Parts: sequence; C-alpha cells; structure tokens
Amino acid sequence: EVQLVQSGAEVKKPGATMKISCKVSGYTFTDYYMHWVKQAPGKGLEWMGLVDPEDDETIYAEKFQGRITITADTSTYTAYMELSSLRSEDTAVYYCATGSMQVVVPPDYWGPGTLVTVSS
Amino acid sequence: EIVLTQSPGTLSLSPGERATLSCKTSHSASASYNVNSSYLAWYQQKPGQAPRLLIYGASSRATGIPDRFSGSGSGTDFTLTITRLEPEDFAVYYCQQYSSSPRGLTFGPGTKVNIQ
Repeated sequence: EVQLVQSGAEVKKPGATMKISCKVSGYTFTDYYMHWVKQAPGKGLEWMGLVDPEDDETIYAEKFQGRITITADTSTYTAYMELSSLRSEDTAVYYCATGSMQVVVPPDYWGPGTLVTVSS
Repeated sequence: EIVLTQSPGTLSLSPGERATLSCKTSHSASASYNVNSSYLAWYQQKPGQAPRLLIYGASSRATGIPDRFSGSGSGTDFTLTITRLEPEDFAVYYCQQYSSSPRGLTFGPGTKVNIQ
C-alpha cells in the first residue's frame, strides 16, 4: 500500500524559510515523480513543482521560481520542499503527491497535507 | 500561461440528480504525439481531505472510481458528468491540465457541488 507521511504543522515568521518533508512507503521511490501542491485557506489548488527522484530533475511553476527547492533523498525515501522569503500569502496547506511515471500523468497518491502558518 | 476556467462556480443539486461540470482551457490539452489523447484530469476534494484523482486522460477513470463518474471532451472543452449524485459526491471538483511550455501542471479554480 502506497503511503505518504508528511511532517507536522509549522509556524514561521515573514522572511523565514520553511522546509517540509514527505516520507513514502509501499513503492520504489525512484519509480514516480513527486509533486508539491499548495492550498491557501478557503482557496483552490496550486501546483508548485516536482522532482524526479531517479535523477533529481526538477520542474518548478514560474510563480515560485527562485524561492522553491524540491529535493529527494533516495536513502530515506523522503522528499522535501523548501520555500524561502516567506510572506503571509504563503500560509497554506502543502500537499505532496505521487504515482505518476510521466510528467503528463496526474498524481493519484496524496499525503494528508502540512499546514504552514506565516505570521509575525 | 495556461488558464483553466470551470463553470459553474457552484452547482446546487439533490441526491440522485445528474451533475454536469465544465472545464475550458486556454490552450489545447491534446497530446502532441496523439491528438486523440488529452492531458486533462479531474479531482474531487472534500473538506479537510486531500484531493482524490477521478479522471485522467480526459476520460479514463482512476482506480476504484465508480462508473457514475465519467469524463469527456477534447481540445479545449471538457466535461465531468456524475450520472446520479450520491450523498458522498457533494464536494469541490477541480480540473487539471499538463502543459509542455512551460512544463508543469495547472489547476482550474474548482466547481463546488452543493446539496440543494
């Protein structure tokens, strides 16, 4: 059974950097891309980017370019998403999602989400 | 930049009724290698839960999705149909498209299906 376990909720100050994790089990980590998706309170879904754990190739949404880094640690089957220069608009639930062997295929396994609150 | 437009924003229906949700994309979702294939997906999200993949490739149901859910369309116009609404189907539905330039995924703003 594919499982994604995300790190716990965080509170960050404006200007800080967040780094959240997503530990997977139930499949070979390098088989699937890992996506990250943002959902601000009461808002829709926003795709942030992905990593291919097999070769560390990343693709980032233009909106987050320069502030986001997605990595994958194949030794621990864990993906990370780092977002810098945090502002109040970054307050959101962040989901990791996987299950696609090609970028064109949408992910069908999702983590429960990590709530990050940015507040002074 | 790809823009997805979903309509209506909110749909108020009763259990047993048919729901028809629309997604229009600013750029064709057809696959470059096969015009009969589309990079359009549909997700369902309930409050406090992660999204659930319903449809991929415009019309293929994901694993475990009941056959009352169906997707159709091509090019820039797509539809998600729920033939007979069950109580558990009241949720928000998002369409999503893959883009090759710039590479990445884009979600629509969502359609909320309410109990009337």
